[in-house]
Amino acid sequence: GNSVTQMEGPVTLSEEAFLTINCTYTATGYPSLFWYVQYPGEGLQLLLKATKADDKGSNKGFEATYRKETTSFHLEKGSVQVSDSAVYFCALSDPPGYALNFGKGTSLLVTP
Amino acid sequence: AAGVIQSPRHLIKEKRETATLKCYPIPRHDTVYWYQQGPGQDPQFLISFYEKMQSDKGSIPDRFSAQQFSDYHSELNMSSLELGDSALYFCASSLVSRGVSYQETQYFGPGTRLLVL
Repeated sequence: GNSVTQMEGPVTLSEEAFLTINCTYTATGYPSLFWYVQYPGEGLQLLLKATKADDKGSNKGFEATYRKETTSFHLEKGSVQVSDSAVYFCALSDPPGYALNFGKGTSLLVTP
Repeated sequence: AAGVIQSPRHLIKEKRETATLKCYPIPRHDTVYWYQQGPGQDPQFLISFYEKMQSDKGSIPDRFSAQQFSDYHSELNMSSLELGDSALYFCASSLVSRGVSYQETQYFGPGTRLLVL
């Protein structure tokens, strides 16, 4: 079956630090990969996506590259801000357009 | 830009009562998905509809049912509510257009927070 594994949180960083949240996946087909962000008390917002190998998704300074050889989609940001504090979910859909399988989520806290 | 609308935003029910959650997808989107997110958990897929027909089914309890109407809005009906049904329920929509071309991005609504007492 399909599954997503992401690093456990919480992750606490100082402002302007480098962020990496690891995500690996298992899929029977060729999935599309996503990162969603959930701010406290809010819904899920799409952060970025990639639909084929070696694609790089990027948005608001966040990046992730679809690595088929390592079945990974790690999220990175060069300099985090306090406003980036949220829960980040890695997800896949396989086949594309079908249900999303989410990882357990990684809570990020950025301190001034 | 228009987003997914869910109502109500908050709902409090007693055990064994029923609840109906509503979802209005982004205009022209043809697919609606329902997810359940327990406290501190990741969202779990319940059910989806493509062009008003059920397209996929996940871990939806038999006590729950859903449908998509001619105007593409969807309703999730929950009966014999249990304490464990307390969760955040998300609706998402996408433009899938299967058989022609597709976009796989799901856009989520703000969720309905259900509390069962």
